[in-house]
This record gives sequence, C-alpha cells and structure tokens, in this order.
Amino acid sequence: AQSVAQPEDQVNVAEGNPLTVKCTYSVSGNPYLFWYVQYPNRGLQFLLKYITGDNLVKGSYGFEAEFNKSQTSFHLKKPSALVSDSALYFCAVSPLSGNTGKLIFGQGTTLQVKP
Amino acid sequence: NAGVMQNPRHLVRRRGQEARLRCSPMKGHSHVYWYRQLPEEGLKFMVYLQKENIIDESGMPKERFSAEFPKEGPSILRIQQVVRGDSAAYFCASSPGGMNTDTQYFGPGTRLTVL
Repeated sequence: AQSVAQPEDQVNVAEGNPLTVKCTYSVSGNPYLFWYVQYPNRGLQFLLKYITGDNLVKGSYGFEAEFNKSQTSFHLKKPSALVSDSALYFCAVSPLSGNTGKLIFGQGTTLQVKP
Repeated sequence: NAGVMQNPRHLVRRRGQEARLRCSPMKGHSHVYWYRQLPEEGLKFMVYLQKENIIDESGMPKERFSAEFPKEGPSILRIQQVVRGDSAAYFCASSPGGMNTDTQYFGPGTRLTVL
C-alpha cells in the first residue's frame, strides 16, 4: 500500500533560521509528490510538486523541497523562516496505478515560527 | 480567475438530518475531488468525479453518502441521516485533468457540525 509519513507533529524554529519539515513515502516505482500548506480555518494551498527531473524543486513563498530516492524522502525546506510561515503543512503522494488522480496525505506537521 | 468555491462554509445539522455540500470548481476544470478532514487528522480521499461521472468512490462510506457532478451546476456531496461522527471539515479540490501529475486546487472547505 502506498503511504506518506510525516514523523514530526510539530516543528519549532526561530524567525530567520532555516526550517525543515520532514516527509517520507512508501510507493512502488517513481512517485509524484506534493506539499500543501493550511492556515487556520482555510483550505489547502499548493506549494510545490515533484514529477520528474531536478531533485530540488522550488515553490511558492520561498519554499523548496528535495526529492531523495534512496531515502524515499521529500523534505520541505526554507533558508530563512518567517513568523507568517506558521501553519499546518501536508505532504502528499499521487498513486501511480490507475488514473484516479487522488492524493494520499500525511498526517500533517504544525510549523511554529517564533519571533 | 476565481478559485474553488464551496458553500456553505459552516453547516450545523441535528442527528438524522441531511447535509448538502456544494463545490464549484475553478474555471476550466472538469475534475472534482472530495476529501474529509477529521479533527487532528490529515485529509482522506472520498470520491473523484468528472462531469456526470463518478470515476473513483473508493473512499466513500458505503451508506448515507453520495456525490454527483451534473452537466450544469456545482458538484454536490450529500450526507443522509447525519451522525455525530460525520462532524468534520469537507474539502473539495479541482484540477484541469485527471492525471496523477496534475495539481489539485482546494476550496476553503465546509465545516459540518452535527449536534
């Protein structure tokens, strides 16, 4: 079964410091991976995705993610955190079999950036 | 270009009543997905629809839940005889195509409370 794991329920970082939100996946073959952010009482906003090509993917708001096939990881990163980055972050994988297009989400990681 | 629209944003129902949740996809998108987010959990896929067709309903409970996406008008998620366990946030997403690589864009969600 395909699955996504976000091992940290919460990540705390000081403003201006680099941040990493971890994601590992379990799929057969080459995965399609996504990161979304959710602000309180809002829907999910797309940040970035990995389909193929360069392992380092750049996305919205200065975020980037690195695809590592050997470690089956797709960690989200940002060089310098902002207080406004505080939110709930979801990693997701798109199943490869069939053409359903559905996303399988991790449990989410709350990012807390302190001034 | 308006994003994905969902209404109502908040819905309160008593046990045994019916809940109808509406989703209008982004302009030009003909693929709609419904997800449910229970408190303290990630999003779980429910159903994937194209115009007038259900493509994948593998995440939909077998009883009381139904979904449609008519030729004209919004997609509707219908929950009959609601129970307290149905209380959750229901999110709709849309994409231009149904490919695994397509980005899904999410609406703000409908928060259902069952008394």
